[in-house]
Amino acid sequence: SQQGEEDPQALSIQEGENATMNCSYKTSINNLQWYRQNSGRGLVHLILIRSNEREKHSGRLRVTLDTSKKSSSLLITASRAADTASYFCATVPTGANSKLTFGKGITLSVRP
Amino acid sequence: EAQVTQNPRYLITVTGKKLTVTCSQNMNHEYMSWYRQDPGLGLRQIYYSMNVEVTDKGDVPEGYKVSRKEKRNFPLILESPSPNQTSLYFCASRGSGSYEQYFGPGTRLTVT
Repeated sequence: SQQGEEDPQALSIQEGENATMNCSYKTSINNLQWYRQNSGRGLVHLILIRSNEREKHSGRLRVTLDTSKKSSSLLITASRAADTASYFCATVPTGANSKLTFGKGITLSVRP
Repeated sequence: EAQVTQNPRYLITVTGKKLTVTCSQNMNHEYMSWYRQDPGLGLRQIYYSMNVEVTDKGDVPEGYKVSRKEKRNFPLILESPSPNQTSLYFCASRGSGSYEQYFGPGTRLTVT
């Protein structure tokens, strides 16, 4: 079953702009992760935020988590053409540490 | 180099002809998983394994088998493939001390 639902489904921005992607989920979670996938290739882990954290940074990435709203956002600042990819949020449910449930993904296009 | 490898990368087969997709990781990870990715559906977990000889069903296990006889290998077996198993398949692994998953490059399977 799908746990995360990303929004928007597709996003097109100009290089240098910021990109904000949102994810909503349905059940209690242990943590939420964001992954990137370049066309047809394997996913790459970007960042993880635990249920007791509200914000986390990694380079140009900033992720927030609101457990009361069951939502997360990923912000990519100063975007580059190389950021063009699909982005997925994925959740580990509370008490089910072996499961990682993905959303359907967001397609980000960064125009040079 | 730390990596997850899958073979074959591309496979075209016919309905009912048994096939195996191999997955191997060189990071001594305990957890391994198989996912399928379909347009509009994101990634869905097929099976996962928490360690040697310990496997469990994911969200879409029907029509698939797995085994975990060695820590590094986690093959996916399709005993009697059908056209609805045409998909892009990913193997992933993670260590017991982390939730970050490492993905293989993917296997594109077509069943005619």
